[in-house]
Amino acid sequence: EPEVTQTPSHQVTQMGQEVILRCVPISNHLYFYWYRQILGQKVEFLVSFYNNEISEKSEIFDDQFSVERPDGSNFTLKIRSTKLEDSAMYFCASSQYRAGNYGYTFGSGTRLTVV
Amino acid sequence: DAKTTQPNSMESNEEEPVHLPCNHSTISGTDYIHWYRQLPSQGPEYVIHGLTSNVNNRMASLAIAEDRKSSTLILHRATLRDAAVYYCILRNGSEKLVFGKGMKLTVNP
Repeated sequence: EPEVTQTPSHQVTQMGQEVILRCVPISNHLYFYWYRQILGQKVEFLVSFYNNEISEKSEIFDDQFSVERPDGSNFTLKIRSTKLEDSAMYFCASSQYRAGNYGYTFGSGTRLTVV
Repeated sequence: DAKTTQPNSMESNEEEPVHLPCNHSTISGTDYIHWYRQLPSQGPEYVIHGLTSNVNNRMASLAIAEDRKSSTLILHRATLRDAAVYYCILRNGSEKLVFGKGMKLTVNP
């Protein structure tokens, strides 16, 4: 069964450093997403991406965050200057279509620890 | 986003059926009912979705009330691997999924 692949599985970074989280969505999917989950809390939407541009973003997704699809396969989330509160699991997801009649496929996540 | 209500937790026994309820009294006519689950230390996993009719797939069944104000996810034979947090989510044309706290299912051997 096709999978969404995320790397690395765990990243430790110092506060103020830039990090890039990588994702390879399912190949025929057109819609891409990032979510995050702080330990013990809900899964929160960050951003959706379609046709090489952001289509929706949450309040969490401020100027410190950016997304990119640098080639035909990768989808990245960059945090420019990490804060302690950015420590969380980050999940990438993809979907073939946007409509409510389709589900998402999520990756296994990257655990980001900011120290 | 339309809201759903689930119990905080449920317990079941291995190899027995388990019915996970969800209330969504403010559902609109275009909202699909989606179920996802999250196993420990994993990303959310799509389980099933439906609009009006009951749905079956290899993982589960979804029973939707006639007035669509509630639904029930049915796991026909629970296994230890089904222990997870289950999320009932309404989705229309909006791209994002809005996760609530979900319902923790414990499966006893």
